Amino acid sequence: GESVGLHLPTLSVQEGDNSIINCAYSNSASDYFIWYKQESGKGPQFIIDIRSNMDKRQGQRVTVLLNKTVKHLSLQIAATQPGDSAVYFCAENMGDSSYKLIFGSGTRLLVRP
Amino acid sequence: GAGVSQSPRYKVAKRGQDVALRCDPISGHVSLFWYQQALGQGPEFLTYFQNEAQLDKSGLPSDRFFAERPEGSVSTLKIQRTQQEDSAVYLCASINILHGGTDTQYFGPGTRLTVL
Repeated sequence: GESVGLHLPTLSVQEGDNSIINCAYSNSASDYFIWYKQESGKGPQFIIDIRSNMDKRQGQRVTVLLNKTVKHLSLQIAATQPGDSAVYFCAENMGDSSYKLIFGSGTRLLVRP
Repeated sequence: GAGVSQSPRYKVAKRGQDVALRCDPISGHVSLFWYQQALGQGPEFLTYFQNEAQLDKSGLPSDRFFAERPEGSVSTLKIQRTQQEDSAVYLCASINILHGGTDTQYFGPGTRLTVL
């Protein structure tokens, strides 16, 4: 299949370590944020979301942190596994009724065995 | 199938040809979105439907791009007189906003369009 993220920033981590992927979003009025994982040849896959009235949300092995002051979002992956290797995108919803998402530029995560 | 499906998965067109890309959303999902993803970049919004109504088409790059969803389920994105800059992956997503569900958009696998 086609390759996603040929020129994206890359984070390389050792299997079993924790990963932190960062994202700066653009609009202070955005009220909903999502992290997606995209493997080569596939569509974006939902990982975790957070609303603007929260600053932290935890899922299974993943945590999203939201800092509205500096418009920063991060995704933490605990005990990173080879299957976590993919391109990760943050997306923001502008708060209007259309649910349109604005995506960031993405980060490629490589997990070394 | 439980997910969003798209067809064809790959399409090669000669410059100037018309193409039609199909999206089957998750059954019962009210809203449907089309995004364009250039190589190495994040998806960019093209257009949005709620049932059969096209409520936002602000992301369509030119009048060569046309989308429809006549019965409020399957959608087709049509590109007329394709150009090389139209080469991209076209992603479809759907969302159920009437049943108290989340705002999560579920994406299909995409159609990879290559214009020669």
